[in-house]
Amino acid sequence: AQSVTQLDSHVSVSEGTPVLLRCNYSSSYSPSLFWYVQHPNKGLQLLLKYTSAATLVKGINGFEAEFKKSETSFHLTKPSAHMSDAAEYFCVVSEAGTASKLTFGTGTRLQVTL
Amino acid sequence: DVKVTQSSRYLVKRTGEKVFLECVQDMDHENMFWYRQDPGLGLRLIYFSYDVKMKEKGDIPEGYSVSREKKERFSLILESASTNQTSMYLCASGLAGGVSYNEQFFGPGTRLTVL
Repeated sequence: AQSVTQLDSHVSVSEGTPVLLRCNYSSSYSPSLFWYVQHPNKGLQLLLKYTSAATLVKGINGFEAEFKKSETSFHLTKPSAHMSDAAEYFCVVSEAGTASKLTFGTGTRLQVTL
Repeated sequence: DVKVTQSSRYLVKRTGEKVFLECVQDMDHENMFWYRQDPGLGLRLIYFSYDVKMKEKGDIPEGYSVSREKKERFSLILESASTNQTSMYLCASGLAGGVSYNEQFFGPGTRLTVL
């Protein structure tokens, strides 16, 4: 069975400082991993995905994530936060052969202050 | 661009009412999904469908049913709404293929309140 743990329910950073949102996963097989973002009153949007092609994945809006199999982690980072990054972020795992079913973490709310 | 639309953004119903939530996607995706989103719990899968008239239970199917009569449309039905079904409901669609890397595309959500 697959699962995801987002280690922080809430992260607050100042504008212009780095962002780190932490995610650990558990999977019986070689998983694919995703980060989705949800802005207030909006649907979920894909930020980036890992599919075993490269361990460092670049996404939209300057975000990137590194897959570390030895640590079973897939942390999301951004060098410099912007006010528009304030949103909820979900780490997601998927395994093959399950109709592409996704298992979501509980989410991390990112607050960006001036 | 993939578009997933949901029939209502906000819905208020009374306990015991039958509730229909409709979802339509325009990208000819085989798979469609219904989730509910609650604070601190993330998204939990209610039902999914991998083909017309085919459905499978997700993690929390109790109290819900679904219908998929056409490929582009997937309906979630609350046979007798209860207050504990007050939640945000999200529909998604995605390609088939049995691979893990097919992402899902989400609609804007329906916030359902059951009084």
